[in-house]
Amino acid sequence: DAGITQSPRYKITETGRQVTLMCHQTWSHSYMFWYRQDLGHGLRLIYYSAAADITDKGEVPDGYVVSRSKTENFPLTLESATRSQTSVYFCASSQGLAFNTGELFFGEGSRLTVL
Amino acid sequence: AQSVTQLDSQVPVFEEAPVELRCNYSSSVSVYLFWYVQYPNQGLQLLLKYLSGSTLVESINGFEAEFNKSQTSFHLRKPSVHISDTAEYFCAVSLSGGYQKVTFGTGTKLQVIP
Repeated sequence: DAGITQSPRYKITETGRQVTLMCHQTWSHSYMFWYRQDLGHGLRLIYYSAAADITDKGEVPDGYVVSRSKTENFPLTLESATRSQTSVYFCASSQGLAFNTGELFFGEGSRLTVL
Repeated sequence: AQSVTQLDSQVPVFEEAPVELRCNYSSSVSVYLFWYVQYPNQGLQLLLKYLSGSTLVESINGFEAEFNKSQTSFHLRKPSVHISDTAEYFCAVSLSGGYQKVTFGTGTKLQVIP
């Protein structure tokens, strides 16, 4: 099906382990984003990407790594998970500058628990 | 940089009553404004948006929002809510003119009481 999909939807891990959250979109949108959602903070931008091989930091990038070798994929890696990274993570995509309205299309989220 | 303030974290309202969810933004340049809705265990989806033109924008399910530049507000309203409107609502802003970064408010949980 067309759209934006995230995997896994639920993940429990331990402190210090590496975790990768996957994001795949079928619209060929130029821009992709990773947000985390926490009570009282709303959504905060972790990293974003304007195109393949172009990434940039958002508001809360520490402890996270991203890559974008293909337009359709934008994985988020926690290299050494900490309890403060327990959160719900949302991937989103958006059309390129020619159509820029800032409108985002979201995946269903990945709920990560770090014990 | 732009910012968004949603003044109410929770809004309880009886079914068929009107509701207003408040949103104020701060920016030194022109912006686009959005309201997104999040139903339980789902991602966010766009409810309505203001880009330019008419300051009153409407959604297909009866919500409306009015861009007020002098008060830097974009409040969301519905004259009569339904149980199915129970969700969390996020106001968001992005800079107009080609910049993609969107800033979200902290969200308002709308609880419709039967």
